[in-house]
Amino acid sequence: DVKVTQSSRYLVKRTGEKVFLECVQDMDHENMFWYRQDPGLGLRLIYFSYDVKMKEKGDIPEGYSVSREKKERFSLILESASTNQTSMYLCASSYRQGRKPQHFGDGTRLSIL
Amino acid sequence: AQTVTQSQPEMSVQEAETVTLSCTYDTSESNYYLFWYKQPPSRQMILVIRQEAYKQQNATENRFSVNFQKAAKSFSLKISDSQLGDTAMYFCALSLNTGTASKLTFGTGTRLQVTL
Repeated sequence: DVKVTQSSRYLVKRTGEKVFLECVQDMDHENMFWYRQDPGLGLRLIYFSYDVKMKEKGDIPEGYSVSREKKERFSLILESASTNQTSMYLCASSYRQGRKPQHFGDGTRLSIL
Repeated sequence: AQTVTQSQPEMSVQEAETVTLSCTYDTSESNYYLFWYKQPPSRQMILVIRQEAYKQQNATENRFSVNFQKAAKSFSLKISDSQLGDTAMYFCALSLNTGTASKLTFGTGTRLQVTL
């Protein structure tokens, strides 16, 4: 079975801190994704990566950056956390082809105080 | 740009009954894929069913089936013989077969409650 592991299930940080969310997948997937999930808004794509060191902006990239130094690991970085970034963050991975489904991690519930 | 619309924020169904969740989408592409994902409370999002746009036959997976109406851009999910374990948030999603990555566009979700 595909396993997508997010480093933390719950995280509490302070405004202005630099926050790192880590995601690791074990299926040699080319694609990796970071989403933000908010009630009534569904899942919104922050950034995605289709290869090592390659990244593209999603729909809401402002205030975030990403890093993919190894194929299995994709990190989301909040450069200077703000309260409006309090949310559930989901990582996903997939093979390159569009017909292949994405596999999700358990999510990280991030609170910025 | 692609859009996916789920017009039912919440639904309720009794155990053993049948329920249909609605989804409409919009895309100018002809080659795309549609998915239904399920997110149980405090648990991982998992794939329920997938439909390829070029296939006319509706996909089925055990108690789950879809009604894919390509011309109307409609992709509803039917759950037969509902079980308590079907209680979850259900998301409809669309994927394009692009050259770089297959990005998903999600709807806002339908929260389904299965009751005794």
